[in-house]
Amino acid sequence: EPEVTQTPSHQVTQMGQEVILRCVPISNHLYFYWYRQILGQKVEFLVSFYNNEISEKSEIFDDQFSVERPDGSNFTLKIRSTKLEDSAMYFCASNPAADTQYFGPGTRLTVL
Amino acid sequence: SQQGEEDPQALSIQEGENATMNCSYKTSINNLQWYRQNSGRGLVHLILIRSNEREKHSGRLRVTLDTSKKSSSLLITASRAADTASYFCATDANNDMRFGAGTRLTVKP
Repeated sequence: EPEVTQTPSHQVTQMGQEVILRCVPISNHLYFYWYRQILGQKVEFLVSFYNNEISEKSEIFDDQFSVERPDGSNFTLKIRSTKLEDSAMYFCASNPAADTQYFGPGTRLTVL
Repeated sequence: SQQGEEDPQALSIQEGENATMNCSYKTSINNLQWYRQNSGRGLVHLILIRSNEREKHSGRLRVTLDTSKKSSSLLITASRAADTASYFCATDANNDMRFGAGTRLTVKP
């Protein structure tokens, strides 16, 4: 069964560094999402992406964040200058026009 | 902003008992979904209920939806230790999904 994949599974970085989290959505899906979950807290929506542009973003998704679909298969989340509070699990999801979103396994980001 | 709010925040039961988790939301939705997350793992989709449905079953799961009260419940019958996880409701309005804070369920053997 097709699945959403994410790499790396765990990323450790120094505060102020840039990180790129990668996702490969399911191939025929059209909508893409990033979520984050700070340890012990709720899953938070970051951004949705459709037709090569951001369709919606939350207040968390500030100028530090950007998303890209560089080659038709990958979907990336870039954090330009990481802060300690960016430490979280980041989940990618995708769906076709249907309702159910398919989530990746997540990338754990640790900012030191 | 977040849409769904689950209660209780934490629930601890004995194996074999039923577990009921509730979710309330604020605005109109197309559907509501329940997800499960084992600690440190990705979210797993459990069940989707559309706004024109009132009840849905899947194995030991039963979900109800009351759009007039903007609430939903997830019932897990005959719980098992392996059901220990966090359970999230998510509201979907025009492909815009919002999660609640989750209920942490612990099933003791």
